[in-house]
Amino acid sequence: GESVGLHLPTLSVQEGDNSIINCAYSNSASDYFIWYKQESGKGPQFIIDIRSNMDKRQGQRVTVLLNKTVKHLSLQIAATQPGDSAVYFCAERGGAQKLVFGQGTRLTINP
Amino acid sequence: NAGVTQTPKFRVLKTGQSMTLLCAQDMNHEYMYWYRQDPGMGLRLIHYSVGEGTTAKGEVPDGYNVSRLKKQNFLLGLESAAPSQTSVYFCASSPGLNTGELFFGEGSRLTVL
Repeated sequence: GESVGLHLPTLSVQEGDNSIINCAYSNSASDYFIWYKQESGKGPQFIIDIRSNMDKRQGQRVTVLLNKTVKHLSLQIAATQPGDSAVYFCAERGGAQKLVFGQGTRLTINP
Repeated sequence: NAGVTQTPKFRVLKTGQSMTLLCAQDMNHEYMYWYRQDPGMGLRLIHYSVGEGTTAKGEVPDGYNVSRLKKQNFLLGLESAAPSQTSVYFCASSPGLNTGELFFGEGSRLTVL
């Protein structure tokens, strides 16, 4: 079945450094992957997505990398800021319109 | 725009009581979803709807019912609440199949005693 997991449940980085959040997925048929950010007390917010025919996609300060060979997804945040503190979820779409979410990684920014 | 609005935001129930969570979206989205979020378990899909008058089961549908009588509203019902249903519930909507960008509400925290 589908499952999405994260390598690390927590990540602490210095302000200004780059952050890399990793995600493993198990369904090789998944064709679409998304990263969400959830701030405390709020609902998840879409950050960036990538389709399975791509290896890399860039947004504003964020880059998503997809390695289909090892079924691995990563989110890179450049020049991390205090406002980046949140829980980050990866999600995959393997069928219909149902997304399967990972457990989340909490990113903490140290001043 | 209000986006996705959930009511109530907090509720405490006793075991066996019933209640309904209301989700309303003003973006004219076809798809709507109900998720629950438990510590360390991410978001799990309860039920979803691909259009007015349609509903379908997600990963964890047992103990819940839903209705989508109007396109803008998606109701989640608990007929006989159990402590295992203590969770934070999130409603989301999306315009359709070509995007995984879901627009989430701010959540409804439910405690069942």
